[in-house]
Amino acid sequence: NAGVTQTPKFQVLKTGQSMTLQCAQDMNHEYMSWYRQDPGMGLRLIHYSVGAGITDQGEVPNGYNVSRSTTEDFPLRLLSAAPSQTSVYFCASRRFGAFTGHVGTEAFFGQGTRLTVV
Amino acid sequence: AQSVTQLGSHVSVSEGALVLLRCNYSSSVPPYLFWYVQYPNQGLQLLLKYTSAATLVKGINGFEAEFKKSETSFHLTKPSAHMSDAAEYFCAVRTSAGGKLIFGQGTELSVKP
Repeated sequence: NAGVTQTPKFQVLKTGQSMTLQCAQDMNHEYMSWYRQDPGMGLRLIHYSVGAGITDQGEVPNGYNVSRSTTEDFPLRLLSAAPSQTSVYFCASRRFGAFTGHVGTEAFFGQGTRLTVV
Repeated sequence: AQSVTQLGSHVSVSEGALVLLRCNYSSSVPPYLFWYVQYPNQGLQLLLKYTSAATLVKGINGFEAEFKKSETSFHLTKPSAHMSDAAEYFCAVRTSAGGKLIFGQGTELSVKP
C-alpha cells in the first residue's frame, strides 16, 4: 500500500514551459486535492476533485489545470510556468464522507514536489 | 467561510518544557479540526483530529488538543518537548464531510537542548 505518490520530487522549469505534476493514490479515495506551500502562507488549495470526472477550483487556481479521468490519478498541469509558481506542491486524498459515511476523515499527503521556475 | 489562524509563526522551547501551539478557527457551523506535522522535506502527517466526539483529543507522539467552542480554539499541547518534536505544525479546519480542508499559516517549533 503506497498511499499517495507524487512525481517528480524536484523540477526546474524555464518561464513559459509546461509540465504535469503527477499524483496517484491506491486507497480508492474519492476526494483528491492539490495544495501549494509557500513560506508564511501555509498550504493553499489549488484544485480539488470529489470523484472521477468532477473537478473544482480552490483558493488559488489561476495558472493550473486539472483533470480526473480515474479514481487513482489526479495530475496538475502548468500550461505556461511563471516564477510566481515556484513553490512546493502537495497532493492529498481522503474518503468523501457524503458517499461513504465516514465523517471527519483525515487527508493523506504525498511527499511533495519542489518546483522552481526560472 | 471558514478560516484558521495560528498565533506565532515560530515557537521555541527547551527540551522537557511544555509545548503550546495556538490555533483559532472561524466557522459558522460545527467544524472538523485537524493538526498536522511536517518534518523537513517531508509531506504532512496527521497528529490528531476533532470530529465532535470528545473535546479533548489525544494524538500521536504525546500530543493532545482541546476543542473550546466558546473560544473558537483548538490549541495543541505536549507536556514535555523532545528534540524530535522540532518540525512545522499546521492547524486545519473543515466544515463538512465533503468540505475543503483549509490550513493555517503554520508554526515552526524549535526545541533547544
